[in-house]
Amino acid sequence: KNQVEQSPQSLIILEGKNCTLQCNYTVSPFSNLRWYKQDTGRGPVSLTIMTFSENTKSNGRYTATLDADTKQSSLHITASQLSDSASYICVVILSGGYQKVTFGTGTKLQVIP
Amino acid sequence: NAGVTQTPKFQVLKTGQSMTLQCAQDMNHEYMSWYRQDPGMGLRLIHYSVGAGITDQGEVPNGYNVSRSTTEDFPLRLLSAAPSQTSVYFCASSYSAGRGETQYFGPGTRLLVL
Repeated sequence: KNQVEQSPQSLIILEGKNCTLQCNYTVSPFSNLRWYKQDTGRGPVSLTIMTFSENTKSNGRYTATLDADTKQSSLHITASQLSDSASYICVVILSGGYQKVTFGTGTKLQVIP
Repeated sequence: NAGVTQTPKFQVLKTGQSMTLQCAQDMNHEYMSWYRQDPGMGLRLIHYSVGAGITDQGEVPNGYNVSRSTTEDFPLRLLSAAPSQTSVYFCASSYSAGRGETQYFGPGTRLLVL
């Protein structure tokens, strides 16, 4: 059982609409949480990073939130664009650094005109 | 900067064949790693290296070998391919293995083992 669960598995939204993707994790000891964007046929690209002491981080139209107490994170996309169509992956990095990293299975987002 | 490059982009192997997946980076990063990505699963760490001459096993190392003779290159070897190794392989690099560092991923190699 993956210790980083993402929901929904897939999502279709209209261009211009907002959406929120969820990530629940059980791995510990938690250090950082990252959200990645992976376009089809490409490698993941980092969007945001948060430590356990941060509860929100923005990168343009992307805003990530973190509740370390409930072990939940979300990625909110505002005013979606066609180019936002991709998979979004939640990644939990443990205190040992990148040698101890757990990737979620991702949410596949499709933005339609 | 080319970033992280991987070759080949796609490869078909027969069971028992061997091959090497190439990975190179031009960012002078010390930390490099290999992941595999399978449907319905998150990326899983195969092997990693914290610098030239230093490698270690990740979560799923069986069936794979690595070496790191230079800072730039980190090849992944499949000695005797098996159908279970059909996957998409990603190489990544970062300045260090520190948890605050950003990892940069290559474009991936799609491997099919028949």
